[in-house]
Parts: sequence; C-alpha cells; structure tokens
Amino acid sequence: GENVEQHPSTLSVQEGDSAVIKCTYSDSASNYFPWYKQELGKRPQLIIDIRSNVGEKKDQRIAVTLNKTAKHFSLHITETQPEDSAVYFCAASIGNNDMRFGAGTRLTVKP
Amino acid sequence: NAGVTQTPKFQVLKTGQSMTLQCAQDMNHNSMYWYRQDPGMGLRLIYYSASEGTTDKGEVPNGYNVSRLNKREFSLRLESAAPSQTSVYFCASSGLASGDEQFFGPGTRLTVL
Repeated sequence: GENVEQHPSTLSVQEGDSAVIKCTYSDSASNYFPWYKQELGKRPQLIIDIRSNVGEKKDQRIAVTLNKTAKHFSLHITETQPEDSAVYFCAASIGNNDMRFGAGTRLTVKP
Repeated sequence: NAGVTQTPKFQVLKTGQSMTLQCAQDMNHNSMYWYRQDPGMGLRLIYYSASEGTTDKGEVPNGYNVSRLNKREFSLRLESAAPSQTSVYFCASSGLASGDEQFFGPGTRLTVL
C-alpha cells in the first residue's frame, strides 16, 4: 500500500518568514494530495489540495507543488503569522479512498 | 447544517469491554471514513465506506468492525477493547459536491484501561 513520509517533524520560524514542509509518497498511482491543518484539540481541516494533473496550486499565502517523477510534494506558507501555528499533515490517495497520511509537522510561528 | 457529528466525545473502557462509536453526516455525502490518531503517527485509516452498503478495510482494521447503517450514518465497533486501542477516533465524509475533500468530525477520545 501507499507510504507517505513527511519532513520535518517540527519547524519553528519567525513571524513573516516562509515555511516549507515536504512529503514523499511511494505509489505512483496516487493522484490526489491534500494538506490538512490541525490546531490543538481540534479536528483536521483541509487547507489546500492538488491533483496529479497539476504541478502547482496557490491560494493566497499557501502554495503546494507536486513532482510526480520524484514522487514528492511540498507545502509552502509565505509571510507566516502566529495563527499559522498548528500541526500540518500531508496525505496521498488514489481517488479519495484509502488515504494515507504523513506523521505530521508541528509548525511554530514566533512573534 | 451540523456537518459531521460523533458520539461520544470521551469514553473510558476496561480491557475486554465493547462499545460502538457513532458518526453521522448531513451533507448527503456518499463516502465515509474512520481514522485513529495516535501521537506522532498522524491519521491512520481503519475502515471506509465508498457508498451505502459497502465497506472496505483501510490500513489498520484489526480489532474493529463497521456498519454503514444508511447514507448518513457509519458506526465503528470495538468488540473487545485493548489498551492498544487507546486513541482519538475521527470520522470523516466526502462527496461529489465537495470534490475529494474529506470533512472531519470533532473526534472521540477513547481510553482503554
């Protein structure tokens, strides 16, 4: 089955700096790659997703890039703010079933 | 529109006891999922149901059973709870109208003593 690895496990940045989180996946058939944000004690919420027919997607301060050949995808957050502090999870799946998640990255944005 | 709801919010069981976690969604979604979340391990899929009447195993199905009662409801049963099943359990749903986005419930924190 699919295996997703996520790095780094923790990331601390200064407010206003950029943050980058990277994930790799193993199954070349995977075609859907979402990113979820989870605040402490809350449920995961989708922040951005990308499909395998697209190389990059942006939504305001958040962008995701996908390299199908290398089987890796990355989350980029620019101009970070303290409210960006949370745990971020990447995931990969074929369609939307049997989704596999990375272990998570705890992002801390210091004011 | 409540989205995805789960009951109970918290539960403490003794080893060997059984219980059912309930999940319901009011978004007319076809697909529903059960995950467990353990510290440092992200979310792991237990079972999913792509449509009413079907269920499939995910990454960690052992020790669990599921029932897709109708389009709205998807329950997770622990027949004989073990300490290794101490975790936070999340239910999620997705549908054609939402693309592939999965919407999560608030979670159930389960402790097995």
